[in-house]
Amino acid sequence: QQPVQSPQAVILREGEDAVINCSSSKALYSVHWYRQKHGEAPIFLMILLKGGEQKGHDKISASFNEKKQQSSLYLTASQLSYSGTYFCGTDNAGNMLTFGGGTRLMVKP
Amino acid sequence: NAGVTQTPKFRVLKTGQSMTLLCAQDMNHEYMYWYRQDPGMGLRLIHYSVGEGTTAKGEVPDGYNVSRLKKQNFLLGLESAAPSQTSVYFCASSYRAGGRGNQPQHFGDGTRLSIL
Repeated sequence: QQPVQSPQAVILREGEDAVINCSSSKALYSVHWYRQKHGEAPIFLMILLKGGEQKGHDKISASFNEKKQQSSLYLTASQLSYSGTYFCGTDNAGNMLTFGGGTRLMVKP
Repeated sequence: NAGVTQTPKFRVLKTGQSMTLLCAQDMNHEYMYWYRQDPGMGLRLIHYSVGEGTTAKGEVPDGYNVSRLKKQNFLLGLESAAPSQTSVYFCASSYRAGGRGNQPQHFGDGTRLSIL
């Protein structure tokens, strides 16, 4: 079953913060986050494994709460380059990921 | 280093025609995947392979067939194209299963397929 992402879309001004959530109805082994710009391939951001870890990459970080079967992506002091669609992919201990429907993020000057 | 290369980039087919999409990776990855992406639906897995000579069904396999005769190539076939198969198709690869192996998936640039 597809994980649910929220919000579906968000508009920010440069420098503002945003949080994107990913929720699954199944137990999770890990969560992946990807960003896709219009007309391009999805690009890997980070993987979080069960254990509640939090990772960061530049000003983008994420957390994973395995008990709640949720992950959140945090974008701090957003830049124009952060615009795109963000997808979470959940791994339920199989050989494949199930992706959410995506969150469209637009950062304006 | 080319990464994941998809051929062709664009294609228009008529209903009932057949075609094959080619995915090639030069990273020596064991796992390869075919996804389709439709507006608002995110990425949905069609078929995947965990190694040369192996294939398995994903979420939406109906109407598609795949083959992995060589480790570096993963082919997606449409035997009798239908308008519902109009989509953007992405191929991806990883060292091991995207989640359990703690390895990211690397995507190709996609193939935009229209079926009239």
